[in-house]
Amino acid sequence: NAGVTQTPKFQVLKTGQSMTLQCAQDMNHNSMYWYRQDPGMGLRLIYYSASEGTTDKGEVPNGYNVSRLNKREFSLRLESAAPSQTSVYFCASSGEGQKNIQYFGAGTRLSVL
Amino acid sequence: GNSVTQMEGPVTLSEEAFLTINCTYTATGYPSLFWYVQYPGEGLQLLLKATKADDKGSNKGFEATYRKETTSFHLEKGSVQVSDSAVYFCAHLDSSYKLIFGSGTRLLVRP
Repeated sequence: NAGVTQTPKFQVLKTGQSMTLQCAQDMNHNSMYWYRQDPGMGLRLIYYSASEGTTDKGEVPNGYNVSRLNKREFSLRLESAAPSQTSVYFCASSGEGQKNIQYFGAGTRLSVL
Repeated sequence: GNSVTQMEGPVTLSEEAFLTINCTYTATGYPSLFWYVQYPGEGLQLLLKATKADDKGSNKGFEATYRKETTSFHLEKGSVQVSDSAVYFCAHLDSSYKLIFGSGTRLLVRP
């Protein structure tokens, strides 16, 4: 049981480049989330998806787009990366029966130069 | 609005010392409260939780009690180990089932 899997683990981009962060969960969870983690600021919610086919903005959505491809997968896209998007990105999921417990992936460390 | 405030770190302790990490929250009603732990190079893992007032969450020797009077959920452990070195996050669940995190407290335990 892999839980929540994120790819890639590390990425370096130049300003203006685009990329997609991938996330997949194998726990049959309805809800999925994307967070960014910056020093001294905890985790901030970027986007979330309460169920397949729906997505909603979180606290810091600007500069990002998401796709809930199916129940398992929830991707985060940076169309034109900026240095301010240098961060560690975490994907999480939660199930219908335990909405109050989120399971996290290992994270993607992104640097934008 | 909803928020979580926890003590700034790093907290540096010797092995077998007593640990307290303070956490207070601002929220509507009585939300579920959590402590997550992040070991170096890893994602967050749920450490413990409490879903109603006066509940005590516990796991791996860590405890926290939901205090609605003081809107607090302080994390304690009687005797820390080197392997407890990590970053600890306090969080609460808002009415839309989204987690609101504190800024995290780094714990360093020295042998």
